[in-house]
Amino acid sequence: DTGVSQNPRHKITKRGQNVTFRCDPISEHNRLYWYRQTLGQGPEFLTYFQNEAQLEKSRLLSDRFSAERPKGSFSTLEIQRTEQGDSAMYLCASGTMANTGELFFGEGSRLTVL
Amino acid sequence: GENVEQHPSTLSVQEGDSAVIKCTYSDSASNYFPWYKQELGKRPQLIIDIRSNVGEKKDQRIAVTLNKTAKHFSLHITETQPEDSAVYFCAAAGTDSWGKLQFGAGTQVVVTP
Repeated sequence: DTGVSQNPRHKITKRGQNVTFRCDPISEHNRLYWYRQTLGQGPEFLTYFQNEAQLEKSRLLSDRFSAERPKGSFSTLEIQRTEQGDSAMYLCASGTMANTGELFFGEGSRLTVL
Repeated sequence: GENVEQHPSTLSVQEGDSAVIKCTYSDSASNYFPWYKQELGKRPQLIIDIRSNVGEKKDQRIAVTLNKTAKHFSLHITETQPEDSAVYFCAAAGTDSWGKLQFGAGTQVVVTP
């Protein structure tokens, strides 16, 4: 499968714990995006990378959230001291302007904070 | 920032009928308007997109229209089939931020045989 892959697919954690999600984009894509989706809503932009540089972060992204993309390949999204409000689907997407700007989404990582 | 509103939130149609979903956007700088289909538990997938230099685009049973003056765009699905049942999201973005999509809230489409 040469699409965007994310893991873990599901994560259940207790409030206050830290969690980390990983995204492996399509290999030739230089842009990588993180979105969050709650039930019944459209995805909300969190942050994006061009190669290894993090170019923008949404105001939705509190200090407890950090994302990295070392070497411009895979990316990680870490949430520290999780809160119940962090429960959501975290979607990763990748793309390149060479492909008309289309975003390819992964299947997502569903987080449940108890 | 950009704000995208989408209507209706749910849409039930008989198989073979047409479905229309409408979206409005607020930022006149937006010039890229994709539509994504998301089946239950699955990833969003691009089904069609349109850029501001085009007023209409068609791909088989799916078409999208754009009215830049009124800042609205619509998705039209003709001859609906049960496999068209899903949640559809419209989105908007600017050229420099083409991947930073502002999504609408989604439309649950149910096609009944």
